[in-house]
Amino acid sequence: DAKTTQPNSMESNEEEPVHLPCNHSTISGTDYIHWYRQLPSQGPEYVIHGLTSNVNNRMASLAIAEDRKSSTLILHRATLRDAAVYYCILRDEDAGGTSYGKLTFGQGTILTVHP
Amino acid sequence: SAVISQKPSRDICQRGTSLTIQCQVDSQVTMMFWYRQQPGQSLTLIATANQGSEATYESGFVIDKFPISRPNLTFSTLTVSNMSPEDSSIYLCSAGQGLGWEAFFGQGTRLTVV
Repeated sequence: DAKTTQPNSMESNEEEPVHLPCNHSTISGTDYIHWYRQLPSQGPEYVIHGLTSNVNNRMASLAIAEDRKSSTLILHRATLRDAAVYYCILRDEDAGGTSYGKLTFGQGTILTVHP
Repeated sequence: SAVISQKPSRDICQRGTSLTIQCQVDSQVTMMFWYRQQPGQSLTLIATANQGSEATYESGFVIDKFPISRPNLTFSTLTVSNMSPEDSSIYLCSAGQGLGWEAFFGQGTRLTVV
């Protein structure tokens, strides 16, 4: 399975932008880049995903490098509620592959948001 | 979207016993998965729950220890058998529709084996 590398932890101040990096140099053509986050004592929740183009939704933006070997999750204005573990995950969307639909979680980035 | 309910939310069990965790989705879903999250660790996939057939287990997980059922498109169970303290973890159910879908997760079942 293609692996991702994320910093162990990052800190931010409330209402400031946060850029969470992810390296995935062995990404394959059928891998989508997914981001999930896990708030304390909760199951993971979906944040955003993309393939090649940058993506925006109400929660965040995803910037994908042209060679797809890295990506950055952008929280435009961090709030205290954004304190969580953020996981960058490559998911194989090849319906005929054995890893289809599975999520392989790395250790993620612990984001601390200061008031 | 899908809402996933897990029961029980937590339990304390004696070693050597078994616990069955239920996962109910509020809509029909194509795919369901079970994960384990050991204390302070990330999530590890246990198996894919296949509707009407045997689950597909990941390396290191076996059916005798973690039997899984999926009788329909909205429900699945995971049993943790012959428990030991090493099985103390959070067990999470996940579901989704297929190509390009986002995965939804339950709140998890926090299991403590004493």
